[in-house]
This record gives sequence, structure tokens and C-alpha cells, in this order.
Amino acid sequence: DVKVTQSSRYLVKRTGEKVFLECVQDMDHENMFWYRQDPGLGLRLIYFSYDVKMKEKGDIPEGYSVSREKKERFSLILESASTNQTSMYLCATAPFLLAGGSYEQYFGPGTRLTVT
Amino acid sequence: LAKTTQPISMDSYEGQEVNITCSHNNIATNDYITWYQQFPSQGPRFIIQGYKTKVKNEVASLFIPADRKSSTLSLPRVSLSDTAVYYCLVGRYTGTASKLTFGTGTRLQVTL
Repeated sequence: DVKVTQSSRYLVKRTGEKVFLECVQDMDHENMFWYRQDPGLGLRLIYFSYDVKMKEKGDIPEGYSVSREKKERFSLILESASTNQTSMYLCATAPFLLAGGSYEQYFGPGTRLTVT
Repeated sequence: LAKTTQPISMDSYEGQEVNITCSHNNIATNDYITWYQQFPSQGPRFIIQGYKTKVKNEVASLFIPADRKSSTLSLPRVSLSDTAVYYCLVGRYTGTASKLTFGTGTRLQVTL
């Protein structure tokens, strides 16, 4: 079974702090994703990485950055946390596929971040 | 990006068949349709995926009409444990980019 773990289930940070959310997968998947989930808005893609050191912006990248130095680890960084970044953050992975195909994503349990 | 629209919520009794429809009027030629299930305090879990016509697995069926502008997830004989939020996802993998659109989800409540 694919295992996707996230560094924290719950996190409370203050406005202006730098926040690191970490995601680790054990299935050697090429693709990794960061989403945020908010009531009434569903899941929105923040960033996507298809290989080590490679990243693509998703729909809402503003205020976030990512890092992928190793294949199994994908970090989401909030450079200066703000209250509107209070949300549930979900990491997902997917195996390599040829372009034009689709894939199944495997999600972690999520990190509920509160910025005060 | 293809925008998806789903009902906000649905109610069902245990043992009934439940059909949840997702509209995706501007779906692209190469987009796939995928459904996920999410329980509280958990990440979404893959249910089923299709491109056209009908797909069936051990837990659900997916019906996609010829114009592909909508899709229907069918859950046979639901139980209380099927109470969850169901998401419709339309998109495709392009090699170096991920073109994905999640719907806002349908909250299914199953009661006795």
C-alpha cells in the first residue's frame, strides 16, 4: 500500500512566521502535489512537482513556495504566514504516466493549519 | 480548465442506490473523469475513473454520456459507512504539468 505521511496533523502558527509543511511518500512516485481544502471551495491545487527539483504552479500559488530536493519528500513553505492561509493542507502523490493519460492520486491525512 | 458542478448535498436511506451527477461542460478532449471519496479528518480516496461510456468496479459504477459534458457516480445499496463527501475531478496529466479541477464535493448522508 502507498503510504503518504504529513509532518503534523495540527499546527498553530502566528502571523508572519515562516511555516514548513512536509510530505513524505514511500512508493517511489514521481509526482507530488499540494492542495488546500476550504469549506465550500473544495480542493484547490497549490503546486505540483513531477520530478526532483521540478515544480509547476497550480491554481493558487500566491503566498506559497515548494521544495523537492529528494524524490520522496515534498515541502510546502509559507514564507510569511497570514490568517487567510488558515486551512487544511493535503499532500498527494501519483506514479509516472505518459503525457495525455490520467492517474490515481494517493492522499495523505492532511495538516490543519491555524494562523493567528 | 474544465469547471465542475456537483450538488452540495444528498440524503439517502441505507440499502438504496445513490446517483451523484457532476457537470463539466467544457471538458477537454483528453480529460479523464475521476471520483474520490473523503471521510472526515482523512485525505480523499480514489473510487473510480473513466473516459467514456460506462466503467464499473467492486464499489461503484461511472456513467459518461457520449458528449462527456457530465458524469454520474452510482453507488449500489449504500450503507451508513458510505456517508462521506464525494468529489468529481476532471483533468489529465500532460507530462510536465497537471491540469486538474476538483469539484466542490457532494456531501452524502446515509441514514437508517
